[in-house]
Amino acid sequence: QKEVEQNSGPLSVPEGAIASLNCTYSDRVSQSFFWYRQYSGKSPELIMSIYSNGDKEDGRFTAQLNKASQYVSLLIRDSQPSDSATYLCAAPGSYSSASKIIFGSGTRLSIRP
Amino acid sequence: GAVVSQHPSRVICKSGTSVKIECRSLDFQATTMFWYRQFPKQSLMLMATSNEGSKATYEQGVEKDKFLINHASLTLSTLTVTSAHPEDSSFYICSGQSWGAGTEAFFGQGTRLTVV
Repeated sequence: QKEVEQNSGPLSVPEGAIASLNCTYSDRVSQSFFWYRQYSGKSPELIMSIYSNGDKEDGRFTAQLNKASQYVSLLIRDSQPSDSATYLCAAPGSYSSASKIIFGSGTRLSIRP
Repeated sequence: GAVVSQHPSRVICKSGTSVKIECRSLDFQATTMFWYRQFPKQSLMLMATSNEGSKATYEQGVEKDKFLINHASLTLSTLTVTSAHPEDSSFYICSGQSWGAGTEAFFGQGTRLTVV
């Protein structure tokens, strides 16, 4: 059974700084990873997908994937109070194109003004 | 990203009654729908996977006779909580995926169920 592990936090970061969220996974052959953001009382929303080793940037967000070390991270530059949320790392449970997603337990991020 | 619409967003029901939650994919055909439950300050817990036109596959520990899932079309899946009890009070979330569209999941808005 594939596992996705995250530090539950809370991670507190001052406004304007870089927030770094980390995730490790147990399945060495996983091909794709996702980062979801979930505000309290709301459903998760997809913010980044990454499929290959290296960095992928989208605005203030950068996802980093290292398949050899089996970790994926999310960097948030110029952190804003609106970034305060729980961030869920996720990976497909299998290789079929409509596989269930395995979620980590989430990291609570708090941006302090 | 693709849009999944879930209704109702909030529902309060009496113990012993049944509640139906609808999940619709608005701009894609969801060949597979997933139903999750989330208790406060906990992560998502997958309840079941439903494929259009076939019976749902339930995760271990989830009562299939209590949580009825129907996925009769490529755009609609429903979850019915039967004979609801206060311990069923939770946040229920659906997500849809489409064959050939990668493995990303797109979530509905969620339904806050309170059983009194």
